Amino acid sequence: ETGVTQTPRHLVMGMTNKKSLKCEQHLGHNAMYWYKQSAKKPLELMFVYNFKEQTENNSVPSRFSPECPNSSHLFLHLHTLQPEDSALYLCASSQAGGLAGYTFGSGTRLTVV
Amino acid sequence: AQSVSQHNHHVILSEAASLELGCNYSYGGTVNLFWYVQYPGQHLQLLLKYFSGDPLVKGIKGFEAEFIKSKFSFNLRKPSVQWSDTAEYFCAVTLLEDSWGKLQFGAGTQVVVTP
Repeated sequence: ETGVTQTPRHLVMGMTNKKSLKCEQHLGHNAMYWYKQSAKKPLELMFVYNFKEQTENNSVPSRFSPECPNSSHLFLHLHTLQPEDSALYLCASSQAGGLAGYTFGSGTRLTVV
Repeated sequence: AQSVSQHNHHVILSEAASLELGCNYSYGGTVNLFWYVQYPGQHLQLLLKYFSGDPLVKGIKGFEAEFIKSKFSFNLRKPSVQWSDTAEYFCAVTLLEDSWGKLQFGAGTQVVVTP
């Protein structure tokens, strides 16, 4: 366990489904992040939350909708996804500024069929 | 465009061989540099980091990296690898002036160590 817990570990969903990914950290960090990891591509930063406020949205399609109800929890709501959205979705947390490095969760392996 | 480049996508070597993985970045300004490792089926873990001071930094498991500012490089090295070093290695950068500390990654290098 890293201190950052992601659920579910695996998810298969149809293109018309709505699902949510959950991330939870109890490290006392105040910044949380969503990354997309696809084969042979750099990790793509999707969203950044600092002190529950979204500070970054890297041109992510609106079919991905983040939610950060408090500094310990982060969600990624998914709806009408495309097959190319299949990837490993990683959550991470850090102290603001990230100088101590990030702590990553194990990820959710998403397959869109 | 700002980017992080890792020279090799795939490296295969034998146990006890030396390893060097290249990383170059194209950011202006002062950077913080990181290497992360992802063992098969596991989460990304911090291997080492550089903020300032001695450009040669030592990390966990016998890894080290050297920051060469003039070359915009931060190469990772290990003198003698073990089978357990089989993993994917990621170089990453944040900008000092970025108060939110957004981490930008390279594409990763898959390292396979054969017995």
